[in-house]
Amino acid sequence: SYELTQPPSVSVSPGQTASISCSGDRLGDKCVSWYQQKPGQSPVMVIYQDIKRPSGIPERFSGSNSGNTATLTISGTQAMDEADYFCQAWDSSTYVVFGGGTRLTVL
Amino acid sequence: QLQLQESGPGLVKPSETLSLSCTVSGGSISSSSYYWGWIRQPPGKGLEWIGSIYYSGSTYFNPSLASRATISKDTSKNQFSLKLTSVTAADTAMYYCARNTIVVSSTKLNNWFDPWGQGTLVTVSS
Repeated sequence: SYELTQPPSVSVSPGQTASISCSGDRLGDKCVSWYQQKPGQSPVMVIYQDIKRPSGIPERFSGSNSGNTATLTISGTQAMDEADYFCQAWDSSTYVVFGGGTRLTVL
Repeated sequence: QLQLQESGPGLVKPSETLSLSCTVSGGSISSSSYYWGWIRQPPGKGLEWIGSIYYSGSTYFNPSLASRATISKDTSKNQFSLKLTSVTAADTAMYYCARNTIVVSSTKLNNWFDPWGQGTLVTVSS
């Protein structure tokens, strides 16, 4: 079955750039979405189709996907960005697959 | 603005069937552009997709849950529902419903979930 691997945690200082990776075999050949989940809340999509931002999502959120790794980048990270982040892709054998999630801490 | 709301029992006994519904407002589940999906999250863990249903009624499931899961829809109520049979403690989770968009481009199949309902916690215990 297809798997997506994320680091369990990432730390960043306020105002700096946070990068969260998502790895999978030939992931660049697939489309990746990213979701933000704050404590006690349901997930919110922040990136879809690798690089697109839904309306209402700040410009500081961006995505990329190439080779075996997709990356969610948060520029000028703010305290409100502290959350769990999950990547998601489609695979022909497992259909929908989510990464294990990364906890972003803004120190 | 599209909104989804899950409903159903919060406690289910082991070996019984979990039944949840998702009521959609601000849009129609009969729209030909979208699927409608169920995703769950065990306490303190990650997300697991369960399955999705198309406006036509066709469904697709996580292979690991396909033998126990059924998704149906009731267009008159603008609802879609999940049934999961023979539940165990491992099925204890927050269950979310979400609109599932699938777009096929020339090079990739694009698939995402937005928006999500607020979720409903289901505990499997005797």
